[in-house]
Amino acid sequence: DAGVTQSPTHLIKTRGQQVTLRCSPKSGHDTVSWYQQALGQGPQFIFQYYEEEERQRGNFPDRFSGHQFPNYSSELNVNALLLGDSALYLCASSLLAGIDTQYFGPGTRLTVL
Amino acid sequence: DQQVKQNSPSLSVQEGRISILNCDYTNSMFDYFLWYKKYPAEGPTFLISISSIKDKNEDGRFTVFLNKSAKHLSLHIVPSQPGDSAVYFCAASPGLGAQKLVFGQGTRLTINP
Repeated sequence: DAGVTQSPTHLIKTRGQQVTLRCSPKSGHDTVSWYQQALGQGPQFIFQYYEEEERQRGNFPDRFSGHQFPNYSSELNVNALLLGDSALYLCASSLLAGIDTQYFGPGTRLTVL
Repeated sequence: DQQVKQNSPSLSVQEGRISILNCDYTNSMFDYFLWYKKYPAEGPTFLISISSIKDKNEDGRFTVFLNKSAKHLSLHIVPSQPGDSAVYFCAASPGLGAQKLVFGQGTRLTINP
């Protein structure tokens, strides 16, 4: 049983560009959350998707958007990239109605030059 | 506004001794507290959790203590092993499952042989 997978592993972009990161949840999970982990900091909640709708959102600008597909996989899109968007982006999956904890993927390392 | 704080960026402990990692929080609405462990190039892995109605939870070598009046929790690892060397994140949540996690900044634990 594959756990949470993310692609790509690493990505380099320049300021002003747009980026799309992808996540496949653990088998059986229906909810995907995205977190941003800046260097030396803990992960920070961006948003969460369930039934293809954004269910919760953290304190991130509208440049950050997402999508969830019928197979529960998800994308994170960031527009007009800034240098400060350089971070590790983590995807976590869970069951909305479950009591189990969230399972994290290995992350995508985004570098903005 | 840092709702969850880990004030020690790093901790070094001799193999076989006890490791104690600390975490403070400010929001009384948190209902569950979790510890995650993170190795380089991997996502955070769930270690142990505690409900706000308990003051202790134990799982093998790992014990988490919660002091609600002080808004403080700690993770004890005994005996410490070289494989325990990792970054440890404290996280808080209003509930289990798909609830949003609020993380501390992390503590890098190094176990010396």
